[in-house]
Amino acid sequence: RKEVEQDPGPFNVPEGATVAFNCTYSNSASQSFFWYRQDCRKEPKLLMSVYSSGNEDGRFTAQLNRASQYISLLIRDSKLSDSATYLCVVIVYGQNFVFGPGTRLSVLP
Amino acid sequence: SQTIHQWPATLVQPVGSPLSLECTVEGTSNPNLYWYRQAAGRGLQLLFYSVGIGQISSEVPQNLSASRPQDRQFILSSKKLLLSDSGFYLCAWSRGGKETQYFGPGTRLLVL
Repeated sequence: RKEVEQDPGPFNVPEGATVAFNCTYSNSASQSFFWYRQDCRKEPKLLMSVYSSGNEDGRFTAQLNRASQYISLLIRDSKLSDSATYLCVVIVYGQNFVFGPGTRLSVLP
Repeated sequence: SQTIHQWPATLVQPVGSPLSLECTVEGTSNPNLYWYRQAAGRGLQLLFYSVGIGQISSEVPQNLSASRPQDRQFILSSKKLLLSDSGFYLCAWSRGGKETQYFGPGTRLLVL
């Protein structure tokens, strides 16, 4: 089993839709969690950290479920500019970042 | 503010040729530095990381090597490139092992 797995995608959604991505991790000692966004042929950029109690940043909501070992990202009112690949990142104490393979989102007009 | 630079932006090299990619960070001191590779349509693979000058840890054995000659300079090298070395090479920095990583613009390498 891979350390970090994500919805395979791609997700094609109309503007204004709500879309959710899931990410599962295999190591129960995982400590920190992030969502990154990567535009086509560009570097990944931090979208948001994921906190135990869940957190929201505008149209984006991240949640963590330690018991089930998954994190999620919800995007409300999708914009064309949200089209990108979304990368889930997990850190295990004393180890480096482990990136998921990413889920590609296309928001259609 | 901190910035991270990589060059060149793109590179086309023949099989068997050497490689040197450079990454520099400005605006911070003693950063953790990382080299990743992303093959087309794939996830990020950590190649090397460094927590200080001269300290290099390799995550994947291969024909690549890394060096950190100065605090904010990280170099990725190869003596002989393989076709499989083609990909998008990303350098990143962080303040610590659990801290957010910030990526440079990347170098797109095509080995022919």
